[in-house]
Amino acid sequence: DAKTTQPPSMDCAEGRAANLPCNHSTISGNEYVYWYRQIHSQGPQYIIHGLKNNETNEMASLIITEDRKSSTLILPHATLRDTAVYYCIVREVWGGGATNKLIFGTGTLLAVQP
Amino acid sequence: DTEVTQTPKHLVMGMTNKKSLKCEQHMGHRAMYWYKQKAKKPPELMFVYSYEKLSINESVPSRFSPECPNSSLLNLHLHALQPEDSALYLCASSQDLPTNEQFFGPGTRLTVL
Repeated sequence: DAKTTQPPSMDCAEGRAANLPCNHSTISGNEYVYWYRQIHSQGPQYIIHGLKNNETNEMASLIITEDRKSSTLILPHATLRDTAVYYCIVREVWGGGATNKLIFGTGTLLAVQP
Repeated sequence: DTEVTQTPKHLVMGMTNKKSLKCEQHMGHRAMYWYKQKAKKPPELMFVYSYEKLSINESVPSRFSPECPNSSLLNLHLHALQPEDSALYLCASSQDLPTNEQFFGPGTRLTVL
């Protein structure tokens, strides 16, 4: 699976949009971009994933560049409860079961400030 | 029910003890996972079960022994652990589909004395 690079930490004001970048310059054609987050002392939580089109759900939006070498997770109105480590993961997707490995990088610690 | 439960929440054990961690889900997921997370580090995959069969062992020492007695339960048996095995042990489950997301439990905080 391709390697990802994320800034170690970011701050965001409460109520503002949080834009979390991720570089994945070696991504290949059948690799998806996944985002998970981990709030302190909890298990990771799935946020969103995409292949090449932008995606949006009730939690966030995922913007993937046309060359797919980078992406941005957008939390439109950050709250204090969004303070967490955000992991960008690139994963090859084919078949099921044995191929469903998640390899976590070091992630970005997002601190939402009041 | 969209929850993965793990018991116990905390466990303290000596290096000669035998203990087990338990994970349960009732979402009909056929893939289940164990991860280990050291303090201030990302989770690391240990084992993957698919349809109750072990499909991935990430070269985990034999003092960790996983078991999947049925499609809803996943155990991790611990024996002769070392202090460096102290960590948060996370269980996850997913549908056995290509793009599925994994649902994680809250973890068991293990301390080995």
